[in-house]
Amino acid sequence: QQPVQSPQAVILREGEDAVINCSSSKALYSVHWYRQKHGEAPVFLMILLKGGEQKGHEKISASFNEKKQQSSLYLTASQLSYSGTYFCGTEIQGAQKLVFGQGTRLTINP
Amino acid sequence: GAGVSQTPSNKVTEKGKYVELRCDPISGHTALYWYRQSLGQGPEFLIYFQGTGAADDSGLPNDRFFAVRPEGSVSTLKIQRTERGDSAVYLCASSLRRRGQGGSGELFFGEGSRLTVL
Repeated sequence: QQPVQSPQAVILREGEDAVINCSSSKALYSVHWYRQKHGEAPVFLMILLKGGEQKGHEKISASFNEKKQQSSLYLTASQLSYSGTYFCGTEIQGAQKLVFGQGTRLTINP
Repeated sequence: GAGVSQTPSNKVTEKGKYVELRCDPISGHTALYWYRQSLGQGPEFLIYFQGTGAADDSGLPNDRFFAVRPEGSVSTLKIQRTERGDSAVYLCASSLRRRGQGGSGELFFGEGSRLTVL
């Protein structure tokens, strides 16, 4: 039931773009995205509900393909502050729990 | 306002000992979650409370793990006969999720309790 994230790690230069993917084998009700910096708690970025919506938060946006049970997180013109590990979390319709993927470690270099 | 508070922040114990980890959620949040995170891994779901009751405890690894939330606010995760494999950061999160609501909504995480079993 755990979603699969790819890639496992990304190294970018400041200003470059990145895409992080999340896929599930189950029909999803929602997809969450969180960012965790080393030694800190995960911080919420956004939720996408079934319906194929796309959301944006400044230069960070995401899409949810309900038919494919896939979500992608887009980071454009990356900033040093974007460094951290990104987790997607998925919820199945009728289930009570949010299940997280293994994470994608993003490193932004100057 | 205050965020999710977890105590202790660090706990070192010996194999076989009993441990309690406490979580104080954001005031008014009826939903409370416990996760366990090992180094380099994503948070692993343990249990979800809606009010005082455990709505989903399917993630508790075995009967050594137990959690309570007697008054619908503070929660305690209890681990009996600790083993070295229990070493991890235990994260608590809360949300405004209402009973019967389809999804969890935004989760607010605490800083975690780092448990080390020697």
